[in-house]
Parts: sequence; C-alpha cells; structure tokens
Amino acid sequence: DSGVTQTPKHLITATGQRVTLRCSPRSGDLSVYWYQQSLDQGLQFLIQYYNGEERAKGNILERFSAQQFPDLHSELNLSSLELGDSALYFCASSVGPGQSGNTIYFGEGSWLTVV
Amino acid sequence: AQTVTQSQPEMSVQEAETVTLSCTYDTSESDYYLFWYKQPPSRQMILVIRQEAYKQQNATENRFSVNFQKAAKSFSLKISDSQLGDAAMYFCAYRSATGYGGSQGNLIFGKGTKLSVKP
Repeated sequence: DSGVTQTPKHLITATGQRVTLRCSPRSGDLSVYWYQQSLDQGLQFLIQYYNGEERAKGNILERFSAQQFPDLHSELNLSSLELGDSALYFCASSVGPGQSGNTIYFGEGSWLTVV
Repeated sequence: AQTVTQSQPEMSVQEAETVTLSCTYDTSESDYYLFWYKQPPSRQMILVIRQEAYKQQNATENRFSVNFQKAAKSFSLKISDSQLGDAAMYFCAYRSATGYGGSQGNLIFGKGTKLSVKP
C-alpha cells in the first residue's frame, strides 16, 4: 500500500458527460501528480500541484482541469468526455525535503470507461 | 527535453534465472534521479528501485539491482533468481532534481518492457 488513495476505482460514463476523480496523497506529501495511461499512449503526465499551486503542466487537454485543496487532496475534472478519454488515471504524490522526497508514489488508479 | 528509451518491448526469462532490462536516457542535467517501476496485471505502479545520479554506487534492493552508467546515460535493471511474481511491465523513469522539496519535476517514463517468467 503506497498510502495514496484514489476514488473511484472504476467509473463508467457516457460521452459528453463530466466526472471528477479524487486523490488523497500520502500523509505529509505536498506534491500531487496526475498521469493518464491508455493502451496506446503509455504513461502521460497531465499536471502537478505543489502545496496548492500548479507546478507543471503536461499533455492535459483543455477539457480537463485539476486543483489541489488546502488539505492537500486533489481532484481531476474531466468534461465533455470522449471515447478516447477511456484510460487509467493515476494520482501520485511525493514528500518535501529529504531523500525520500525524491520518490513519487502512485495510487492504484481510477479506471475510466467512456461509452 | 529529457527522454527515456527502453529498447526491449518484451523479454522472457526462465524461473530462477537472471534477466537484465535496458534503459537509456537523454538529459543535459547533472543532478537527477532514476527509477524502475513495476506494473503487474493489476495495473498498480510499484516502485522497484531508485538511483540518485550523484551516487556512484549502484542501488540494490534484494534480488533487484541496477547498473548505472552516468557517462553513457544507461540505467539497466537486473533481476536475479526470477520468480513468477516478477512477471509484469517494467518502466524506467527519470526525474529532474531541479527545484526543492517536493516541487521537483514529474517523472518521465519509457514505454516499458513486458517481462514474462516461464516456470
């Protein structure tokens, strides 16, 4: 158990809909990352937050948005869903200073199926 | 921009034997971290081993060890005494050390190597 909690684990929704994926980082971790893993695209970095502020953006679509709240949990919002958005969405977190802060730990992922 | 290349899409090893997975990377940075993650059929991403670029000594975790060649930008994973539970997709990943605390960059992944273990 990595200590990173993601909900829901599985989600099936229709095209055009909007969903929210939730992530609670490991206790004490300040950074949260979102990754998308689809069959043909591998692991794609979407966005990173550090202590509530956006730190880096990757290949995140404009239909997607995220935020990190004061309690450090994060949400990834996916809207106007398309079939191609079906994927496994990972949340990951890392801690602050110190050697252990160099490692990023992953949650179990949220499986999104768009039908 | 940094890139990570895993040139072996699939590998196979006999149970109890040793296998080496290859990874090369490209970066202009001198300070960074390298990782191997394992993704079994459950799709969970599990950290296998970590290497700090400033350390010359190769990291070891039980049956897993790396051969880190900084000048050659090579970071291979050796799995000794392979077990059936080692069957998984293995991802090599790079992380910049620029920044402080947890604000360092995200992971850059290779495309993965699918390892099968034959009984």
